[in-house]
Amino acid sequence: SAVISQKPSRDICQRGTSLTIQCQVDSQVTMMFWYRQQPGQSLTLIATANQGSEATYESGFVIDKFPISRPNLTFSTLTVSNMSPEDSSIYLCSVRLVQKLGYTFGSGTRLTVV
Amino acid sequence: GQNIDQPTEMTATEGAIVQINCTYQTSGFNGLFWYQQHAGEAPTFLSYNVLDGLEEKGRFSSFLSRSKGYSYLLLKELQMKDSASYLCAVEMNTGFQKLVFGTGTRLLVSP
Repeated sequence: SAVISQKPSRDICQRGTSLTIQCQVDSQVTMMFWYRQQPGQSLTLIATANQGSEATYESGFVIDKFPISRPNLTFSTLTVSNMSPEDSSIYLCSVRLVQKLGYTFGSGTRLTVV
Repeated sequence: GQNIDQPTEMTATEGAIVQINCTYQTSGFNGLFWYQQHAGEAPTFLSYNVLDGLEEKGRFSSFLSRSKGYSYLLLKELQMKDSASYLCAVEMNTGFQKLVFGTGTRLLVSP
């Protein structure tokens, strides 16, 4: 089955700095997404990562705060910019695979901003 | 906009049956997924409904009524390892497909 590698798995960052999270998939992918999961809550969709073009952001999320790249079909990055403690959360990459029903998730990045 | 609602928390006893409900109001409905998420882990796929009716998969079944905007996940013969969060998610198609999650239900199974 497909492997989704998400890095880093966790990080502690100073407020005001930025962190880039990477997601690499080893299978054929149709779509890639980024989610946020705040403590004790469900998943919130941040954006759809589009190959070679700007990501499509959900209401409440903007490119300046969460720039996303997807230079090819199987790789994407999410940057959390100018971080504040409110950005402390788990960030998850998700993909829709060509040969598999459903959406598959990376193991997540646990971010703590101090 | 979209609303996908679930009960926040449920408790049940080992060996029992539990039904977790999900109601939704969304545009561009494609289908409905259920995911299981253990603490500290990624969500894992449980079931998918696109047509009305019941889908059975071992101890887990999922039901969908598109006209009522309603789904449930039925867990039978509960085991301690079923203690987890259960997430209802609607696949929407508003020009492109995306998965939007409900509020999630934390299930605690006790001996």
